[in-house]
Amino acid sequence: DAKTTQPPSMDCAEGRAANLPCNHSTISGNEYVYWYRQIHSQGPQYIIHGLKNNETNEMASLIITEDRKSSTLILPHATLRDTAVYYCIVRVAYKETSGSRLTFGEGTQLTVNP
Amino acid sequence: DAGVIQSPRHEVTEMGQEVTLRCKPISGHDYLFWYRQTMMRGLELLIYFNNNVPIDDSGMPEDRFSAKMPNASFSTLKIQPSEPRDSAVYFCASRQTRGTMNGAFFGQGTRLTVV
Repeated sequence: DAKTTQPPSMDCAEGRAANLPCNHSTISGNEYVYWYRQIHSQGPQYIIHGLKNNETNEMASLIITEDRKSSTLILPHATLRDTAVYYCIVRVAYKETSGSRLTFGEGTQLTVNP
Repeated sequence: DAGVIQSPRHEVTEMGQEVTLRCKPISGHDYLFWYRQTMMRGLELLIYFNNNVPIDDSGMPEDRFSAKMPNASFSTLKIQPSEPRDSAVYFCASRQTRGTMNGAFFGQGTRLTVV
């Protein structure tokens, strides 16, 4: 699986958009970009994933550059409860024989300030 | 659905004792993952199952660790004998493969302390 690079920490004001970047310059054509977050003392929580098109769900938006070498997770109106470590993961496409695995890096600690 | 259920939430044991962690995946999910999280090493994948069959156990640190999935609704991670360096939070996660490659759902974790 391709390696990802994220800033170790970011701050955001409550109510503002939080834009979390991720570099995955070695991503290959069949690899997806996944985002998870982990609030202190809880299990990781799936947020969103994408292949090459931008994606949006009730939690966030995912913007993937055209060359797919980087992506940005956008929380449109950050709240204090969005304070967490955010993980960007690149994973190979599902295969029947090899299954799937998620390899977590160090992530970005997002702190939303009042 | 109640989500992925892990038990116990907290476990304190003495070095040398056997420890068994339990996980109930979300009904209908055919993949189950065991992770370990420490400050030093972050989140590490230990082993995962597909349709109750272990697919990749390359992350299991030593022979002291073993995992089983006797049926689709239950899995255990056993450490025998336990050591202080096994102290960590152990997470179980499950995922289904029907449709698109949606994300995995994690349990609340078991915080293990070996003294």
